[in-house]
Amino acid sequence: DIQMTQSPSSLSASVGDRVTITCRASQNINNYLHWYQQRPGKAPKLLIYAASTLQSGVPSRFSGRGSGTEFTLSISNLQPEDFATYYCQQSYTTLFSFGPGTKVDVK
Amino acid sequence: EVQLVQSGIEVKKPGESLKISCQASGYTFATYWIGWVRQMPGKGLEWMGIIYPGDSDTRYSPSFQGQVTMSADKSITTAYLQLTTLKASDTAIYYCARRIVWENHNWFDHWGQGTQVIVSS
Repeated sequence: DIQMTQSPSSLSASVGDRVTITCRASQNINNYLHWYQQRPGKAPKLLIYAASTLQSGVPSRFSGRGSGTEFTLSISNLQPEDFATYYCQQSYTTLFSFGPGTKVDVK
Repeated sequence: EVQLVQSGIEVKKPGESLKISCQASGYTFATYWIGWVRQMPGKGLEWMGIIYPGDSDTRYSPSFQGQVTMSADKSITTAYLQLTTLKASDTAIYYCARRIVWENHNWFDHWGQGTQVIVSS
């Protein structure tokens, strides 16, 4: 099974900050990596697919990079609605495992 | 507009069974896989399995194989997740989501609102 890890597990930031979250896979997954945002009490929302492609309607302050085993999600100019938990998910295998999540909260 | 609308909160006793529904609209239901994801209280997302409503082809995560049953009814564009012999540890929010397949990539682009399941004696 492919194991996904994320770092940090949580971070505190202020509106206007730039934050970066890292997702690592236990083996090469090419760019079969996707990012989701989950606000408290809400369903997950797709942000980025195939490591770097922004889902339609997602603000351009979100960006994704990476390939192989290491990936990053960056949020520039953090907005109040961006305080949430972020999950990566691999689809290199059909087991579709998620990372454990990174919570972004208010400093 | 693509929408996935799930059934409401369920409160059950240990040993009981339940069936959660996920009604789709705004797209051709039969031609997209539907996935199910569990989120236990305060925890992360766990992929449970997927079903293709066109022919009911189903793939389960090994962690959930034999524990749950997925089904779909094309005539009413609804997918189902059945849990039997419920335990307190089944207490969770269960999400359905539409799977997109593109050039060997696949991800979940639209999600239901989630169904809260509480199992308590």
